[in-house]
Amino acid sequence: KAGVTQTPRYLIKTRGQQVTLSCSPISGHRSVSWYQQTPGQGLQFLFEYFSETQRNKGNFPGRFSGRQFSNSRSEMNVSTLELGDSALYLCASSLGQGRHNEQFFGPGTRLTVL
Amino acid sequence: AQRVTQPEKLLSVFKGAPVELKCNYSYSGSPELFWYVQYSRQRLQLLLRHISRESIKGFTADLNKGETSFHLKKPFAQEEDSAMYYCALSGPGGYQKVTFGTGTKLQVIP
Repeated sequence: KAGVTQTPRYLIKTRGQQVTLSCSPISGHRSVSWYQQTPGQGLQFLFEYFSETQRNKGNFPGRFSGRQFSNSRSEMNVSTLELGDSALYLCASSLGQGRHNEQFFGPGTRLTVL
Repeated sequence: AQRVTQPEKLLSVFKGAPVELKCNYSYSGSPELFWYVQYSRQRLQLLLRHISRESIKGFTADLNKGETSFHLKKPFAQEEDSAMYYCALSGPGGYQKVTFGTGTKLQVIP
């Protein structure tokens, strides 16, 4: 099976702009989670979707939003970008919705905000 | 609130020496704990999970509820073990809300 794919791999934006990141999970996986990874904070949970519904949300401002489509593909949107949003954004998929499930990670999208 | 603490940012050991990567957690409930690893230029991937009680690549981890710890151990380090290791906790409820530690870089010196 193909692994988790994320597009684009790199993005450069300026403050105030918005950005949309895309994640395609492993075929058959219905849960998709998003994380922000920075050198200072490490991996921080953004949100998790299962069957097109947001199940969990981390402590991020409302500028961060997401959605999941019927084919389980997910998008994450960040509006009004700030310099501090520069990070590696990771997407992970898992087969089921239980908390014991292994997560399979994508390569990430590197976002740079100037 | 759930929290995972990995006190060491960097752990350097000689090849053949024992390895212990520390992980402490804070969680009011029955935790589901994992160790993820990221080798150079590779994706983050699962190493092992508490529920499986397995040994992967010679690594084991035991959940100690009294000390709220889930330390990762290996009796003899190998050069290919050099990587970034993350301890993670999943919960609560039936859905995934995974909290990761800040990670420990393991450097195995030949």
